[in-house]
Amino acid sequence: ETGVTQSPTHLIKTRGQQVTLRCSSQSGHNTVSWYQQALGQGPQFIFQYYREEENGRGNFPPRFSGLQFPNYSSELNVNALELDDSALYLCASRAGTGIGYTFGSGTRLTVV
Amino acid sequence: DQQVKQNSPSLSVQEGRISILNCDYTNSMFDYFLWYKKYPAEGPTFLISISSIKDKNEDGRFTVFLNKSAKHLSLHIVPSQPGDSAVYFCAAGTASKLTFGTGTRLQVTL
Repeated sequence: ETGVTQSPTHLIKTRGQQVTLRCSSQSGHNTVSWYQQALGQGPQFIFQYYREEENGRGNFPPRFSGLQFPNYSSELNVNALELDDSALYLCASRAGTGIGYTFGSGTRLTVV
Repeated sequence: DQQVKQNSPSLSVQEGRISILNCDYTNSMFDYFLWYKKYPAEGPTFLISISSIKDKNEDGRFTVFLNKSAKHLSLHIVPSQPGDSAVYFCAAGTASKLTFGTGTRLQVTL
């Protein structure tokens, strides 16, 4: 399987709810990162997983959590959604020795 | 704390001419730098990278220059084509994360 696939593409949630976003990476891509991109901004690093362990985290509160699975899929979970969580969420993956990450097309989350 | 900055939000260049996109950074610990291109409704697409120990990397029409003393990198596109019109992000990397700039919108006109 080639490329990075994210689901869903669009999502509307109510403030206070919880959401799970999903990502399917290329076979062999054992490093996966998640980014939040607000309108007019560059992607902001949320966290990274390598072989199912978190090995890096940006300035996001603990209500942002993740999982990586052995089949190269991963999840981003956000609890207690706030209006400011409305953004494009990007998943990116790479093979362990690579430099360039391959990005998915993102999930557009709207919190109302 | 904006560690990676792209000070030009937009750039317009005529087809066939050179496009130069600039990026500044503040953290000396970055190991490598990358440029990504992004079209609307798509994820960023990797263009070209450069290790912190190099000062130039070339791939076809794209060349990235790194000036470590000035903490500055640039992307040159020669010749520019209408299909190059997109938002370009520079990113700086360590082992565990990428830090992105805010992007420059390039418009290549006929």
